[in-house]
Amino acid sequence: DAGVTQSPTHLIKTRGQQVTLRCSPKSGHDTVSWYQQALGQGPQFIFQYYEEEERQRGNFPDRFSGHQFPNYSSELNVNALLLGDSALYLCASSPRRRASNEQFFGPGTRLTVL
Amino acid sequence: GEDVEQSLFLSVREGDSSVINCTYTDSSSTYLYWYKQEPGAGLQLLTYIFSNMDMKQDQRLTVLLNKKDKHLSLRIADTQTGDSAIYFCAETSLSGGYNKLIFGAGTRLAVHP
Repeated sequence: DAGVTQSPTHLIKTRGQQVTLRCSPKSGHDTVSWYQQALGQGPQFIFQYYEEEERQRGNFPDRFSGHQFPNYSSELNVNALLLGDSALYLCASSPRRRASNEQFFGPGTRLTVL
Repeated sequence: GEDVEQSLFLSVREGDSSVINCTYTDSSSTYLYWYKQEPGAGLQLLTYIFSNMDMKQDQRLTVLLNKKDKHLSLRIADTQTGDSAIYFCAETSLSGGYNKLIFGAGTRLAVHP
């Protein structure tokens, strides 16, 4: 059973560019959450998708957008990249109907903005 | 408000017990989690505890929850060099029935011989 997978593993972009990160959830999971982890900090919640809709959003600007597909996989898009967007982007999946709602994380995508 | 605080660093000798502490502010938190992050990797879920429990034990891991003081701890028995990592405490904030995790800044555990 594959866990949460993310692609690419590393990415280098320049300021002003746009980036798309991808995530496939763990088998049996239907909810995908995205987190940003800056160096030396804990992950910060970006947003969560369930049934192909954004259900919750953290304190991130509209430059951050996402999508969930019918197979539950998800994309995170960031437009007009800033230097401060350099971080590890983590995707987590969880089963919506389990009360404990444990979230399982992928290995992350390391984004560097130059 | 939502805030999770942890001490930043802990150093222990191999074979000793490690205790990592965490405080949180959201009294409506229903579940609290401990995650482990090794260098260059994602987060590994270690264990979690429901807010109506005081303690949960899972092999070498013991979680203690003091709900009155909003204090959570993770005890690792017989700490090994492979336990060296960053440990994150997280609370679930349920908003409209959809959860998000609020993380602390992480505690770096260093295990030395």
